[in-house]
Amino acid sequence: KAGVTQTPRYLIKTRGQQVTLSCSPISGHRSVSWYQQTPGQGLQFLFEYFSETQRNKGNFPGRFSGRQFSNSRSEMNVSTLELGDSALYLCASRGSGIRTDTQYFGPGTRLTVL
Amino acid sequence: KNEVEQSPQNLTAQEGEFITINCSYSVGISALHWLQQHPGGGIVSLFMLSSGKKKHGRLIATINIQEKHSSLHITASHPRDSAVYICAVGSNTGNQFYFGTGTSLTVIP
Repeated sequence: KAGVTQTPRYLIKTRGQQVTLSCSPISGHRSVSWYQQTPGQGLQFLFEYFSETQRNKGNFPGRFSGRQFSNSRSEMNVSTLELGDSALYLCASRGSGIRTDTQYFGPGTRLTVL
Repeated sequence: KNEVEQSPQNLTAQEGEFITINCSYSVGISALHWLQQHPGGGIVSLFMLSSGKKKHGRLIATINIQEKHSSLHITASHPRDSAVYICAVGSNTGNQFYFGTGTSLTVIP
């Protein structure tokens, strides 16, 4: 099976712009979670989608949003970018969405905001 | 206050040494995960534990639910084990994930 894929791998934007990141889970996986990793804050949970519904959301402002499509692919959107949004954005998928399922991580999208 | 605390933050070892990384957490959990992140960002899930002990090759992970503590051991360490090791817990209320700040391991030949 192909692993979790994320596009693009690298992205440079300027303050005030918006960005959309994409994540394709492992075939058959219905749960996709998004994480932000920065040197200062480490890894932080953004949100999880399961069967096109957001199941839970971390402590991030409303500028961060996401969605999931019927084929389980997920997109994450950040509007009105700030310098502090520069980070590695990771997504992870798991099969059934049960909390004790193993998560499989994608390679990440490295976003730089100038 | 961090929900997950890891120690040490940095660790340098000689090849062949036995390594232990510790993780303590303060929330009720459904599962604890040990993750490995190599330079470049890719993350691999090493273990998922909800009780007891798991072993995979030279890696051993243990968890003590009562003490809210987990350890990751690496036996006969090798330079290719050099990476950041991250402890993460899935809370049993809601579906939140909390991460430790990671332990940067360098194994010297």
